[in-house]
Amino acid sequence: DQQVKQNSPSLSVQEGRISILNCDYTNSMFDYFLWYKKYPAEGPTFLISISSIKDKNEDGRFTVFLNKSAKHLSLHIVPSQPGDSAVYFCAARSSGSARQLTFGSGTQLTVLP
Amino acid sequence: DTEVTQTPKHLVMGMTNKKSLKCEQHMGHRAMYWYKQKAKKPPELMFVYSYEKLSINESVPSRFSPECPNSSLLNLHLHALQPEDSALYLCASSHPGQGHYGYTFGSGTRLTVV
Repeated sequence: DQQVKQNSPSLSVQEGRISILNCDYTNSMFDYFLWYKKYPAEGPTFLISISSIKDKNEDGRFTVFLNKSAKHLSLHIVPSQPGDSAVYFCAARSSGSARQLTFGSGTQLTVLP
Repeated sequence: DTEVTQTPKHLVMGMTNKKSLKCEQHMGHRAMYWYKQKAKKPPELMFVYSYEKLSINESVPSRFSPECPNSSLLNLHLHALQPEDSALYLCASSHPGQGHYGYTFGSGTRLTVV
């Protein structure tokens, strides 16, 4: 049973426009949600996170929104740039002592010049 | 130093071989993790070490044997693997309790079992 789901395997966006990546989760015990970006043959790179007690966190071009009642979060990238093309993973952190992350299946974002 | 270093980057091994994957970080992180990632799939947690003690083993077969010799090093010993164990093996580290800043991942070891 997937506790973190990314239902869109791919997304294409024109350069300069907004990219919106979505993620749904089922476990109410997650205390932090994170987004990672991954290029081929590299490890995931941390992008931005949000606490479960917040509904928005912004860092430059990246904003994450959390809707706890819907168990849904989204990553907005604006404006999108060709260098943003990568696989984006949503991850949720367990609130137990080990703090392990559970990842979604990823969304391949392609930003077209 | 803000990196997690994994060696080797690529490894090809036979099903009867014994090999080890190594992971090193010098950020003072006291939690270290092994993840396995198959193509077009998310990373899957294998093991968690917290303060050099194994705290989570996600029902990983015994042909994978983790070891944390000190707070900077994490090894994964491999023995009698199967071809389906071929994958990207990722090491990560974090401060226990501060994982909301995100793990730091290494670039991974691409393992092929023949």
